[in-house]
Amino acid sequence: DTAVSQTPKYLVTQMGNDKSIKCEQNLGHDTMYWYKQDSKKFLKIMFSYNNKELIINETVPNRFSPKSPDKAHLNLHINSLELGDSAVYFCASSQDGTGVYLYTYEQYFGPGTRLTVT
Amino acid sequence: AQTVTQSQPEMSVQEAETVTLSCTYDTSESDYYLFWYKQPPSRQMILVIRQEAYKQQNATENRFSVNFQKAAKSFSLKISDSQLGDAAMYFCASLTSGTYKYIFGTGTRLKVLA
Repeated sequence: DTAVSQTPKYLVTQMGNDKSIKCEQNLGHDTMYWYKQDSKKFLKIMFSYNNKELIINETVPNRFSPKSPDKAHLNLHINSLELGDSAVYFCASSQDGTGVYLYTYEQYFGPGTRLTVT
Repeated sequence: AQTVTQSQPEMSVQEAETVTLSCTYDTSESDYYLFWYKQPPSRQMILVIRQEAYKQQNATENRFSVNFQKAAKSFSLKISDSQLGDAAMYFCASLTSGTYKYIFGTGTRLKVLA
């Protein structure tokens, strides 16, 4: 069984379009994250949700809007796509981002979604 | 602000040999955690090893061990008996206790030579 799944794995679209990436975890975790990995492999956190509440919102353009319908899902919607949005987007989850025990912080990553904007 | 620095963009090691990947970090917090993640060509991010800052004992996981030097803010990863399957990007990361914000280094690409 896949622990953290993302769909789609590949997404090719044109500038100006709106697209969504879905993420689901079946681990019962409370905390979910979105990361962006650029062409130089730099991995940067974008958002974090804990129990459907937005906890971290890094300096990400307003065109990016996360949505958490329940704590097992964290979707990423991107409006008016730009060339610079091309990257691999990773979803991740952890048991509890502020837990007492170290194992609660361990992140489980999805397989990534490679977004290409043309 | 938290920062994580990996100064080696790429490293090579002969199969069965030992290699050490460097990581330094900066934080003003006293309670934090450190991690090494591996990203093979499949792109999947996998946790390799983790360390609580308050623990003086270095973490080990089979062939993987860390050298945690708290005063120097250094957290290097040692891979013993390197295998071809160890070839990947390795990312060092830090997390301040009580926050959700992981900070990743820029990664080190490890090549394992047969």
